Amino acid sequence: GAVVSQHPSWVICKSGTSVKIECRSLDFQATTMFWYRQFPKQSLMLMATSNEGSKATYEQGVEKDKFLINHASLTLSTLTVTSAHPEDSSFYICSAGTGAVTDTQYFGPGTRLTVL
Amino acid sequence: QKEVEQDPGPLSVPEGAIVSLNCTYSNSAFQYFMWYRQYSRKGPELLMYTYSSGNKEDGRFTAQVDKSSKYISLFIRDSQPSDSATYLCAMKAGNQFYFGTGTSLTVIP
Repeated sequence: GAVVSQHPSWVICKSGTSVKIECRSLDFQATTMFWYRQFPKQSLMLMATSNEGSKATYEQGVEKDKFLINHASLTLSTLTVTSAHPEDSSFYICSAGTGAVTDTQYFGPGTRLTVL
Repeated sequence: QKEVEQDPGPLSVPEGAIVSLNCTYSNSAFQYFMWYRQYSRKGPELLMYTYSSGNKEDGRFTAQVDKSSKYISLFIRDSQPSDSATYLCAMKAGNQFYFGTGTSLTVIP
């Protein structure tokens, strides 16, 4: 149980284009979803937290107009990187939880984004 | 001072060794404690989840929590090359999660 999928697993795009990454909870209802960014050999960096049906809460320094997050249902959240540039190249990982105080986070497999 | 401190390593051990991974924390409000394993270019995978002081065992893995000392550990018995990964500790207070920076482990055949 507690499986989270991400799609695509990797994507290469040209500078200036937008890229959408999907995160799905396959066997539970994810009230809360998190989006992380990770650079090589570095730790997870939380970008934003989203609750189903509400606007995402972004961490300090993360541009909400550049990283659009939508959590439209209890099983799907999307991250859109708008007007991507080479510095946006990174490993993006989502995680999901039921939102219960006793619950933990279950991570997706990650999406590697390369912007040329 | 960070909320959660974790030695980044790297840690290198021979196959079959007992591995001890540790995290310390400063916030006494933390009630839930987790260990994740992350292979290179993959998302973290939940290994252990505990919410009380004491030990929890799952196969070759034992998670230990000492709330009085604000210290948690993950022990890996009979370590295997497949255990080579980065291990992240995580803690939760309310709905807020706090992660360690991760310890890189290599098990040498």
